[in-house]
Amino acid sequence: EPEVTQTPSHQVTQMGQEVILRCVPISNHLYFYWYRQILGQKVEFLVSFYNNEISEKSEIFDDQFSVERPDGSNFTLKIRSTKLEDSAMYFCASSELAGDYNEQFFGPGTRLTVL
Amino acid sequence: ELKVEQNPLFLSMQEGKNYTIYCNYSTTSDRLYWYRQDPGKSLESLFVLLSNGAVKQEGRLMASLDTKARLSTLHITAAVHDLSATYFCAVVEGAQKLVFGQGTRLTINP
Repeated sequence: EPEVTQTPSHQVTQMGQEVILRCVPISNHLYFYWYRQILGQKVEFLVSFYNNEISEKSEIFDDQFSVERPDGSNFTLKIRSTKLEDSAMYFCASSELAGDYNEQFFGPGTRLTVL
Repeated sequence: ELKVEQNPLFLSMQEGKNYTIYCNYSTTSDRLYWYRQDPGKSLESLFVLLSNGAVKQEGRLMASLDTKARLSTLHITAAVHDLSATYFCAVVEGAQKLVFGQGTRLTINP
């Protein structure tokens, strides 16, 4: 069964460093998303991406964040200068363009720890 | 701004018992999802509810949606230990954005 994959599974970085989180969405999906979950809290929407551009973003997704689809398979989230509060689990998701039944499938997540 | 509230947030129950998790949301939406999350793992889709009165069942779990009351329920029948997990409801805002509830941490004791 096709699935969303993410790498790395765990990333440790120093405050102020840049990180890139990688995702490979399901191959025939056209919408891509990033969500994050701070430990013990709810899942929060960051950004959605369609047709090589951002379709929606949340207040969390400020100028420190960017997304890119560098080739036909990968979808990346870049954090330019990490802060302690960026420590969280980051989930990538993808969905088909299929009207109302537009279920989002989530990857296994990348745990980001900022020291 | 769409708000999604779940209750209870923590639920400890015995095997064999029945219980219901509630999900209220603040503004109209045409889609509601239930997800399961095991510790340190990703979100596993359980149900997609698209219309008023929708009811879906899978094993010991049954989900329903009342769009007029802006309420969804996840009912657990004769709970077993394997159902221990955190359960999230999520409501679509706009075209694609999922707004999640706080999650209900369910612990089922033998």
